[in-house]
Amino acid sequence: AQTVTQSQPEMSVQEAETVTLSCTYDTSENNYYLFWYKQPPSRQMILVIRQEAYKQQNATENRFSVNFQKAAKSFSLKISDSQLGDTAMYFCAFMKPDGGATNKLIFGTGTLLAVQP
Amino acid sequence: SQTIHQWPATLVQPVGSPLSLECTVEGTSNPNLYWYRQAAGRGLQLLFYSIGIDQISSEVPQNLSASRPQDRQFILSSKKLLLSDSGFYLCAWSFRGRSTDTQYFGPGTRLTVL
Repeated sequence: AQTVTQSQPEMSVQEAETVTLSCTYDTSENNYYLFWYKQPPSRQMILVIRQEAYKQQNATENRFSVNFQKAAKSFSLKISDSQLGDTAMYFCAFMKPDGGATNKLIFGTGTLLAVQP
Repeated sequence: SQTIHQWPATLVQPVGSPLSLECTVEGTSNPNLYWYRQAAGRGLQLLFYSIGIDQISSEVPQNLSASRPQDRQFILSSKKLLLSDSGFYLCAWSFRGRSTDTQYFGPGTRLTVL
């Protein structure tokens, strides 16, 4: 069974600085997808970024980028120029495509990021 | 564009009472639908998923059930709530037939069982 591990329960960063959140996963699959979701105090889950395992190029979305190391099964999230609105719980998630029947997301336990003014 | 709604936003129920949480999706047809539960300080656990009307699969044995009476409506129910049913319940959708597609989440329902 696949597992997702986020080893940093809490992190803090100064506004405008850069922070990296760690995520490792365990799978025997070769084809899969990885996601970072953000959960602000409103508690709605918001997609931050997504990475396909077959792509060697790291995904980027504005100030958010990932460092995907497939051999090491590592998927870290880098937030550049941190803003107060980035304060949230961040979840790493794994998905193994299931032939179109369903997409089962497996979540890590999350990292609570606090951006300090 | 697509939107997903959940209600109620907050619910406080006594132990042993019934439960009905509703989720609806707008702006798309034939979505895959999902119910997740998030316990305090934890990640999300998939409870149910559905690929069509009356096509529902359960991921974990529990005190809850799900139904999909219409294409874009997903309901989470219980006949008798337990204290352990307390948590934050999130509904999500994804495009049907695209096994690689992203899930999009609703605003959630906070359930407290007393």
